[in-house]
Amino acid sequence: AQSVTQPDIHITVSEGASLELRCNYSYGATPYLFWYVQSPGQGLQLLLKYFSGDTLVQGIKGFEAEFKRSQSSFNLRKPSVHWSDAAEYFCAGNSGNTPLVFGKGTRLSVIA
Amino acid sequence: DAGITQSPRHKVTETGTPVTLRCHQTENHRYMYWYRQDPGHGLRLIHYSYGVKDTDKGEVSDGYSVSRSKTEDFLLTLESATSSQTSVYFCAISKGGSANYGYTFGSGTRLTVV
Repeated sequence: AQSVTQPDIHITVSEGASLELRCNYSYGATPYLFWYVQSPGQGLQLLLKYFSGDTLVQGIKGFEAEFKRSQSSFNLRKPSVHWSDAAEYFCAGNSGNTPLVFGKGTRLSVIA
Repeated sequence: DAGITQSPRHKVTETGTPVTLRCHQTENHRYMYWYRQDPGHGLRLIHYSYGVKDTDKGEVSDGYSVSRSKTEDFLLTLESATSSQTSVYFCAISKGGSANYGYTFGSGTRLTVV
C-alpha cells in the first residue's frame, strides 16, 4: 500500500540551529511529494512540493527538501531555525490521481 | 483560507445525535476532500468528491456520509455521533484529481462528542 512515514514524532532544536525533518515513502512509481506546515489552531500551509526533475526543491520560509530515490526519502531542511518555525510538519504523497496520503506529523519545538 | 470556509468552527454534540459539517468553496474547483486529524495519526481521508454527486470513500469512512449537490458545497454527516469521532475535521479543495494541482485547506472544525 502507498504510505508516507515520518519517523520522528517530536524534535527540539535551538534557535539558529539547522533542522532536518525526515520523511520516507513507499510507492510503486515515483510519487508526488509535499511538505505542509500547521501552526497551532490553524489549517495546513504548503511549504514545497516535488513532482519530477531537480531533486532539490526550494520552498517558502527558507525551507528546502531533497528527493532521494535510492533512500525513498524526502527530507525537509532549513539551515537556521527561527522561533516562529515551531509548528507541526506533515509530509504527504500520492501517485496518479489518488488523494493525498499524509504522514503522522513531526512536532517541532524551538528553544532559545 | 481564502476561497474555502468550514462551518461551524467548533461544535459540541451528544453521543447518538447526527451532525453535519459544511465546506464551502468559491474557487469552482472540481475536487473536494474531508480529512480528520487526530494526535498520532496525522490526517486521514474520510471521503472525497470528484464532481457534483460523485463521491468516493477514503481510509476512515465508517460512520460518515457525504453529499455534494452543488460544486461549491461538500457536506460531511456523522450519522450517529460517537466519542471516537471527536476530532478536528479539515476540508480541502483541488482543481484536479492529480496531486500536482495542489490542495488548499480550510481552517478546520473542532468537533467534540460528549
